[in-house]
Amino acid sequence: EPEVTQTPSHQVTQMGQEVILRCVPISNHLYFYWYRQILGQKVEFLVSFYNNEISEKSEIFDDQFSVERPDGSNFTLKIRSTKLEDSAMYFCASSEQGAEGQPQHFGDGTRLSIL
Amino acid sequence: EDQVTQSPEALRLQEGESSSLNCSYTVSGLRGLFWYRQDPGKGPEFLFTLYSAGEEKEKERLKATLTKKESFLHITAPKPEDSATYLCAVDWYGGYQKVTFGTGTKLQVIP
Repeated sequence: EPEVTQTPSHQVTQMGQEVILRCVPISNHLYFYWYRQILGQKVEFLVSFYNNEISEKSEIFDDQFSVERPDGSNFTLKIRSTKLEDSAMYFCASSEQGAEGQPQHFGDGTRLSIL
Repeated sequence: EDQVTQSPEALRLQEGESSSLNCSYTVSGLRGLFWYRQDPGKGPEFLFTLYSAGEEKEKERLKATLTKKESFLHITAPKPEDSATYLCAVDWYGGYQKVTFGTGTKLQVIP
């Protein structure tokens, strides 16, 4: 069964450093998403992406964050200058169509630890 | 105000002891309600989508139902391998291109 893959599984970074999280969505999916989950809290939406542009972003997704689809298969989340509070699990998801009741399929996440 | 509320927060069952998990939502214009299973250190694994009140979906020991303001995930004769956190999420017209998750119910099934 096709799946969303994320790398690395764990990233440790010094505060203030840039970090790039990578995702390969399911191949025939057109909509891509990033979510985060702080330990013990709920999954929170960050950003959605379609047709090479951001469709929607949350208040968490400030100027320190950016997303890119550099080629036909990868989807990346960049945090420009990491803060301690960016420590969380980051999940990439994809869906065949836009939200409209279509399920999003998630990867297993990248655990980001900021020191 | 939370738009998606799940209860109970945690549930401990003996193997074979059936029960239900609840997800209540306050959004209007529901486009879909999703149930996911999340194992520790893993991403949410899609289980079901429900679209309209009265709809039911089944998969093995799990059955999901939907009313106008809540959904239930019924677990019949659970096994230890059903232990996980079960997440409910809603897609609604005001949510545009995102889904909103509840905090989940952590289920533990004891042999």
